[in-house]
Amino acid sequence: ETGVTQSPTHLIKTRGQQVTLRCSSQSGHNTVSWYQQALGQGPQFIFQYYREEENGRGNFPPRFSGLQFPNYSSELNVNALELDDSALYLCASSQWGLAGGESYEQYFGPGTRLTVT
Amino acid sequence: SQKIEQNSEALNIQEGKTATLTCNYTNYSPAYLQWYRQDPGRGPVFLLLIRENEKEKRKERLKVTFDTTLKQSLFHITASQPADSATYLCAPGSARQLTFGSGTQLTVLP
Repeated sequence: ETGVTQSPTHLIKTRGQQVTLRCSSQSGHNTVSWYQQALGQGPQFIFQYYREEENGRGNFPPRFSGLQFPNYSSELNVNALELDDSALYLCASSQWGLAGGESYEQYFGPGTRLTVT
Repeated sequence: SQKIEQNSEALNIQEGKTATLTCNYTNYSPAYLQWYRQDPGRGPVFLLLIRENEKEKRKERLKVTFDTTLKQSLFHITASQPADSATYLCAPGSARQLTFGSGTQLTVLP
């Protein structure tokens, strides 16, 4: 069973630029959620995708957008980067619709550390 | 708005003792609550889930309680070991979405 992977590991961007972060879900999982984690804080929910559709969004502006692909991998895009966007970006996969009950636990990747200068 | 509070940012205990971490929430009625462990530079790792109709859940040395009247969950690690040192996050959830607290950093001293 392959775990959740994210790329790149680290990234440095300049204010105003755009960035794309990538995530491969754990094998068999059909749902992916993205979180932003600032230093010393808990992960903050950005949005969730299920079957290629956005299925919930946290308090983040529209310049944060995402995609989920047929193989359930996902991208997080951030436009017009701001200094406050510097954080660890986490992707988590989970499975909806398991026969006999749902599994709410989420499996996280190692994250992408984004630094905006 | 929803608010999740975890007790003191840092907790130090002696090896072999029981660590008790607290999670309080307001303006929220979660259907379940999860606890995660996070080590520095890594993503959170799922530990336990407890549903709103459950009072207590156990897994090896871990125990979680969930009091929906008090809007509180307690997380216990018995016979603690230095390897248990990490940040522990509570995450009440509903509709398959989680809201995380800021975490409690636990250090188990040998």
